[in-house]
Amino acid sequence: ETGVTQTPRHLVMGMTNKKSLKCEQHLGHNAMYWYKQSAKKPLELMFVYNFKEQTENNSVPSRFSPECPNSSHLFLHLHTLQPEDSALYLCASSQGEASGRVNTQYFGPGTRLTVL
Amino acid sequence: AQKVTQAQTEISVVEKEDVTLDCVYETRDTTYYLFWYKQPPSGELVFLIRRNSFDEQNEISGRYSWNFQKSTSSFNFTITASQVVDSAVYFCALSVPHTGNQFYFGTGTSLTVIP
Repeated sequence: ETGVTQTPRHLVMGMTNKKSLKCEQHLGHNAMYWYKQSAKKPLELMFVYNFKEQTENNSVPSRFSPECPNSSHLFLHLHTLQPEDSALYLCASSQGEASGRVNTQYFGPGTRLTVL
Repeated sequence: AQKVTQAQTEISVVEKEDVTLDCVYETRDTTYYLFWYKQPPSGELVFLIRRNSFDEQNEISGRYSWNFQKSTSSFNFTITASQVVDSAVYFCALSVPHTGNQFYFGTGTSLTVIP
């Protein structure tokens, strides 16, 4: 495997289900990100992990719970979601932030989530 | 605050035509980075180019070229002799240092190349 992979690619769940999205990066990076992409909206940054520590949580509802057990893996645990949470969830990775420098983010193919 | 505007929501061109995708950015930082990504129907955002604010040289990569103009805060993307495989949504993004590597994306331009 190369680059950033995400599983599953498609997920349909009811509002009472619990599921998890998985992201794995094979680029040797140490920062990982979750984004939400809804139709007709800009990409929304949800969570950022730098060196396994969460550094950003952009007012995301608690029904989304991230987990970063190591710098290669990132999970997004989902429970009691709402239909408006249906979207494409994208994972990205980069080198961790370095002083005075921005690092390119590389994206996975996304998980298309439908909440019924 | 940082902001990226892609005013063109959708563009359609006939194959082999040239097309330019506009990107206008706003930032008060003197050091910043600009990016373009391509999102084909499969969903993955594919990195195309990165530019920092101190490098105003235009770049050409095959049929792709980028025009960075600080005077107009623009970073436009031109595809020459477009092909059907260029059909995708294209995103411009901005980031500045010391913000946790946060990227600010535009709303994207959906390009359709008609055979």
